[in-house]
Amino acid sequence: GDSVTQMEGPVTLSEEAFLTINCTYTATGYPSLFWYVQYPGEGLQLLLKATKADDKGSNKGFEATYRKETTSFHLEKGSVQVSDSAVYFCALSIMDSNYQLIWGAGTKLIIKP
Amino acid sequence: DAEITQSPRHKITETGRQVTLACHQTWNHNNMFWYRQDLGHGLRLIHYSYGVQDTNKGEVSDGYSVSRSNTEDLPLTLESAASSQTSVYFCASMDWNTGELFFGEGSRLTVL
Repeated sequence: GDSVTQMEGPVTLSEEAFLTINCTYTATGYPSLFWYVQYPGEGLQLLLKATKADDKGSNKGFEATYRKETTSFHLEKGSVQVSDSAVYFCALSIMDSNYQLIWGAGTKLIIKP
Repeated sequence: DAEITQSPRHKITETGRQVTLACHQTWNHNNMFWYRQDLGHGLRLIHYSYGVQDTNKGEVSDGYSVSRSNTEDLPLTLESAASSQTSVYFCASMDWNTGELFFGEGSRLTVL
């Protein structure tokens, strides 16, 4: 079945470090891919998305490229800030399944000043 | 601005009591979802609805029910609360055109 695997956390970095959070997927159709972010005490919110192969989603300095050949959608940021501390979720949805989302387990990111 | 709201934000109840968590969205989205979030389990789908009078079971639906009498609301009911249902519950609605989910701020439920 369809699934999403993302790196386990917590990931702890110093401010201004480079961030990568790995996400790989398996899907039988042609999924759209998403990164959602959950700040402490809040609900999830969409960070970025990509709907087809080679698309790059970007927002707030974060980027992720939809790589069909490696079935990956890794999240990157060149210089993290303390305010980026949150839990990050990778997810996919397939139109044929009426846009049901398949979620990764989430990766907690801790940025130290 | 359109939004999605959950109530109550925090609730403490006793084992065996019936509890209803409210979810109200003003985007006029047809698709709505209830998730629970627990440490070590990520997000798990409880129930979902694709429109008025439509409800479907998710992966962890036992002990929960939903009803959809209008587009705006999808209340989640715990018929007889159990300690295993202590969790944070999130409601979400989906923009069909983009596939984006919009989440409420969550309802933290403690069952003693």
